[in-house]
Amino acid sequence: KAGVTQTPRYLIKTRGQQVTLSCSPISGHRSVSWYQQTPGQGLQFLFEYFSETQRNKGNFPGRFSGRQFSNSRSEMNVSTLELGDSALYLCASSPGTGIYQPQHFGDGTRLSIL
Amino acid sequence: GNSVTQMEGPVTLSEEAFLTINCTYTATGYPSLFWYVQYPGEGLQLLLKATKADDKGSNKGFEATYRKETTSFHLEKGSVQVSDSAVYFCALITGNQFYFGTGTSLTVIP
Repeated sequence: KAGVTQTPRYLIKTRGQQVTLSCSPISGHRSVSWYQQTPGQGLQFLFEYFSETQRNKGNFPGRFSGRQFSNSRSEMNVSTLELGDSALYLCASSPGTGIYQPQHFGDGTRLSIL
Repeated sequence: GNSVTQMEGPVTLSEEAFLTINCTYTATGYPSLFWYVQYPGEGLQLLLKATKADDKGSNKGFEATYRKETTSFHLEKGSVQVSDSAVYFCALITGNQFYFGTGTSLTVIP
């Protein structure tokens, strides 16, 4: 069974640009959650999608948004990039809704802002 | 606010040594507590969890007990192996939000 797939693996952008990251969950999983990992802040929860609806949201500004498609694939968008957005962005999937479910993580997208 | 504090790393142990990685938390309500592990070159994966006070989570020889009186969830293993070398994250869920510690890197040497 294929795991959670995130694309691209690495990305370099400049301040002010916008970026879209993609996540394909494990087949059959309907929930997708996004996390930001930085050395200073550690892992922080961004949001969770289930059945194309955002179910839970962390404490991030509105520049961070996401969506989920009918096939459960999810995208995360960050607009007006700032230097502090440089991070590893992780996606996780689970069979049911709610972050209490065991999360299966992808390898992440490393985003660098110049 | 809600937060998780875990011991600073890196931690280096010899094979068969006893491991403790401390984790304390601050949370409103009744959080669920987790330990996640990230092996080199792999994604994060759930190691164990406990959903209420005095519960003990266990997996692969690792254990952690949910201590409400000390707001702690320390990870322990009696005899570590080289294959346990990884980064360990303590985490909690409360109010439908995930909060992670900053991670503790463990290296086990033969």
